[in-house]
Amino acid sequence: GQSLEQPSEVTAVEGAIVQINCTYQTSGFYGLSWYQQHDGGAPTFLSYNALDGLEETGRFSSFLSRSDSYGYLLLQELQMKDSASYFCAVSPQEGGYNKLIFGAGTRLAVHP
Amino acid sequence: EAQVTQNPRYLITVTGKKLTVTCSQNMNHEYMSWYRQDPGLGLRQIYYSMNVEVTDKGDVPEGYKVSRKEKRNFPLILESPSPNQTSLYFCASRPGHRETQYFGPGTRLLVL
Repeated sequence: GQSLEQPSEVTAVEGAIVQINCTYQTSGFYGLSWYQQHDGGAPTFLSYNALDGLEETGRFSSFLSRSDSYGYLLLQELQMKDSASYFCAVSPQEGGYNKLIFGAGTRLAVHP
Repeated sequence: EAQVTQNPRYLITVTGKKLTVTCSQNMNHEYMSWYRQDPGLGLRQIYYSMNVEVTDKGDVPEGYKVSRKEKRNFPLILESPSPNQTSLYFCASRPGHRETQYFGPGTRLLVL
């Protein structure tokens, strides 16, 4: 089967850098993606890694290492508005591109 | 405005009373999915559709039905709702094989 593990909570201060890890157990997948969800809102897409390495999008970066079954989301220059839940997700090859499995999510709290 | 819409946004019903949650997207996306979100479990995929008349089960399809008669619409049907289907439901769509998913605003369902 497939499973993804993330820390349940992370706390950081404004202006700092925080890394949210995602470890997974899956036989094969197309890529690792990250979503952000504010309280009461819908998930929004942040980043996607099809290949190993770092993808950078503004203050957010995402990393994937298939050999280590590990990925992370890096948030720099944290702002109060970054307080939200963050989910990693994979598309397992056995289900095709449209099947998506999410981790349980990491709640990030940014303090002044 | 490109968007995914869901109706109703909130629904309280009783066990056994059939209900339908509608989902519509105006972006001409091929792929659509339904998810449920429960505390501590993240998002779990219920059903997905690759195109008109093409649907497949996600991880938690029991107790749900879907149909895809038109490209823009993907309703979720609960033939006989039970209290364990009390949850927050999200519809999502995406264009082809790209990983960017667009989520609807969510439907909060309470089954008494």
